[in-house]
Amino acid sequence: SYEVTQPPSVSVSPGQSATITCSGDKLDAKYICWYQQKPGQSPVLVIYQDNKRPSGIPERFSGSNSGDTVTLTISGTQPIDEADYYCQAWDSSTAWGVFGGGTKLTVL
Amino acid sequence: EVQLVESGGGLVQPGGSLGLSCAASGFAFHNYAMHWVRQAPGKGLEWVAGISWNSVNIGYADSVKGRFTISRDNAKNSLFLHMNSLETEDTALYYCAKEYGGTSAFDSWGQGTLVTVSS
Repeated sequence: SYEVTQPPSVSVSPGQSATITCSGDKLDAKYICWYQQKPGQSPVLVIYQDNKRPSGIPERFSGSNSGDTVTLTISGTQPIDEADYYCQAWDSSTAWGVFGGGTKLTVL
Repeated sequence: EVQLVESGGGLVQPGGSLGLSCAASGFAFHNYAMHWVRQAPGKGLEWVAGISWNSVNIGYADSVKGRFTISRDNAKNSLFLHMNSLETEDTALYYCAKEYGGTSAFDSWGQGTLVTVSS
């Protein structure tokens, strides 16, 4: 079955840019989305179709997809951005959604 | 406002069955694909199953294939997940999620219903 891999944790200082990666075979051929999940809350979609932001998501969230690595970038990271982030790939050739293991973003 | 409210979770013994429901409101339910996603305690997200707007396309994660059945009733704005042969590894918070207009992304999530499989 298809798999995508994320680093378990990323740390960033407030105001700096945070980069979270998601890797998998031929990821550039699949649409990727990203979710933010804070403790005790349901996930929130922050990026879809590689680089599109749903309404209400701040401009500091951006996404890119090239080759086998997809990247979520948070520019000017704020303490409120501290959360778990999950990438999701859509494997239309087999069955649907595959989540990465999640990355815990710490802002300190 | 989109609302997704899951129900039906609880404690069940290994090998048992359970049915989950998701009541949808605030959007044209019959136009959207819907999904179930679960999260084991302290673990990451796992996609479980999805169903197209007209129930023609249905998919399951390998971990639940043959044991779980997803269905929907567009007249009642409801999504269902029937779970058989439950295993301790199925213990998780089960979320109902709405697909974002053919983008393969989930833009609305419920609060989840907890399923505990234990003897």
